[in-house]
Amino acid sequence: DSGVTQTPKHLITATGQRVTLRCSPRSGDLSVYWYQQSLDQGLQFLIQYYNGEERAKGNILERFSAQQFPDLHSELNLSSLELGDSALYFCASSNTGGFNEQYFGPGTRLTVT
Amino acid sequence: AQTVTQSQPEMSVQEAETVTLSCTYDTSESDYYLFWYKQPPSRQMILVIRQEAYKQQNATENRFSVNFQKAAKSFSLKISDSQLGDAAMYFCAYRSAINFNKFYFGSGTKLNVKP
Repeated sequence: DSGVTQTPKHLITATGQRVTLRCSPRSGDLSVYWYQQSLDQGLQFLIQYYNGEERAKGNILERFSAQQFPDLHSELNLSSLELGDSALYFCASSNTGGFNEQYFGPGTRLTVT
Repeated sequence: AQTVTQSQPEMSVQEAETVTLSCTYDTSESDYYLFWYKQPPSRQMILVIRQEAYKQQNATENRFSVNFQKAAKSFSLKISDSQLGDAAMYFCAYRSAINFNKFYFGSGTKLNVKP
């Protein structure tokens, strides 16, 4: 158990819908990262927050957005969902903003039908 | 653009033997970090080893070591005394030390360990 929690574990929704994925980092960790892992695209870095502020942005679509709240939990919002958004979404946390070890959550499996 | 290439989609190794997973990357930067992550069937992502580009000494973590060749832009992972629990997908990753947005993963290598 990494100490990072993600909810829900599984999510099934229809195209065009909007969903919110939630992540609670390890106690004391200030950075939260979001990743997408799909079958044909591998693992992609989406976005990083550090102590409530956006620190880095990767290949995140405009239909996706994220935020980190004062209690340091984070939410990833996915809107206007498409079939291709079906993937495993990981959240990770670290105690710094840079390059130290990231602890990954168990992931949220999103299926868009 | 920075890209990370893992040219071996799948590899097999006999238990107790040594195996090397390959990773090459493309960058014009001089300061960056390289990582190897392990993803077992449980889908959990686990950091195996990390290398800072400014360090010439290859990183080592128990049975895991890397061969970092900066000029060749190569970052291979060697697993010694392979164990059944080493069976997993292994991902190589690059992160710029200057532009945090530049954080890329390879496509992965599936490692099978035969008893």
